[in-house]
Amino acid sequence: GEDVEQSLFLSVREGDSSVINCTYTDSSSTYLYWYKQEPGAGLQLLTYIFSNMDMKQDQRLTVLLNKKDKHLSLRIADTQTGDSAIYFCAESRSSSASKIIFGSGTRLSIRP
Amino acid sequence: DTEVTQTPKHLVMGMTNKKSLKCEQHMGHRAMYWYKQKAKKPPELMFVYSYEKLSINESVPSRFSPECPNSSLLNLHLHALQPEDSALYLCASSQRGGPGTSVYNEQFFGPGTRLTVL
Repeated sequence: GEDVEQSLFLSVREGDSSVINCTYTDSSSTYLYWYKQEPGAGLQLLTYIFSNMDMKQDQRLTVLLNKKDKHLSLRIADTQTGDSAIYFCAESRSSSASKIIFGSGTRLSIRP
Repeated sequence: DTEVTQTPKHLVMGMTNKKSLKCEQHMGHRAMYWYKQKAKKPPELMFVYSYEKLSINESVPSRFSPECPNSSLLNLHLHALQPEDSALYLCASSQRGGPGTSVYNEQFFGPGTRLTVL
């Protein structure tokens, strides 16, 4: 199957860390992505990870991949109001890297 | 120039109208994509063009007709749409693409055209 699942909402206090979780079903997934979509805008690729990696860090963002459990997470350190957006987990396979399967998206809201 | 542009930003059309959405990139990318995104849903792939040839059509109804006149431009021609076709239409491009592409290639998205069909 081609399912990518995420929880729909997350609310965190400004300055705390946000952790957005994602599970996928296709064990042949090769590339896993996190996209950010602000209201009324297109999608922005935040980061990606190859399936043979466990972790990737990029400034405030940390991606963890548990391939055995098919679980991907995105941690945003020191969450700011500008991080309010919908975050999409996505995957693609080496047989068709053009086709990206998106999760339903997690809406992150920041409270003061 | 590292962006994908789309025109118009908003479009309202009747079910008998014919209109076109336009997408442009000047990054030298050879793959371009159309996605449809309904409210509170993830984007769904519609079409992929690779080297100006249609390589993926995700069983999209014929009232949507894509066209890739050159490597920088991608159009989506609309005719006899239904109200349920109202959505945000996103264009994207990547360096390479198409079935069998095995290397990572980041897709850059445009801001989208918000389409309302009355």
